Amino acid sequence: SQKIEQNSEALNIQEGKTATLTCNYTNYSPAYLQWYRQDPGRGPVFLLLIRENEKEKRKERLKVTFDTTLKQSLFHITASQPADSATYLCAHPRNSGYSTLTFGKGTMLLVSP
Amino acid sequence: EAGVTQFPSHSVIEKGQTVTLRCDPISGHDNLYWYRRVMGKEIKFLLHFVKESKQDESGMPNNRFLAERTGGTYSTLKVQPAELEDSGVYFCASSQDGRGETQYFGPGTRLLVL
Repeated sequence: SQKIEQNSEALNIQEGKTATLTCNYTNYSPAYLQWYRQDPGRGPVFLLLIRENEKEKRKERLKVTFDTTLKQSLFHITASQPADSATYLCAHPRNSGYSTLTFGKGTMLLVSP
Repeated sequence: EAGVTQFPSHSVIEKGQTVTLRCDPISGHDNLYWYRRVMGKEIKFLLHFVKESKQDESGMPNNRFLAERTGGTYSTLKVQPAELEDSGVYFCASSQDGRGETQYFGPGTRLLVL
């Protein structure tokens, strides 16, 4: 079955630095990957989608890469701020042709002032 | 525009009781999804509605779970009888497109079965 692995350890960085989160997937070649942000007590909020034929996508201070050879996506937040502190989830379609999602457990990011 | 809403926000029940969760999707969104996150695990898919029809219910854990979406608007998820392992956070999401590429999640219902 499909599985998404994200670093379970929290990532602690200083304000202003670049945060890099990793998402590795197995047993499947998804047509796209998504990244979500989740704050405590809230539902996931969609951030970015990157397709298998895209190497990189940017949105403001966010950048996502997609390496289908390594089966890996990297999520970068540049010039990080304390307000970026949250859990970030990686997801992809459960199966080809399906719109339902498989999620990773998420990585908690803590940005210190 | 209102987002996806879920009710109740929290529910504490005893094993063997029945609980009904409700989800109101964003108006006009035909696609409605139920997901669940059990403590320590990842968010897992339960069920997908397109309007009032169940498109995919392969994620439903067992027949104690019953989801409905009468009229293609709001949806309910009933657990009867509840077991301890049903505890977790139940999320509802909706999307306008059938590809599910942009899913809007509700805040979740935190269910605790004692």
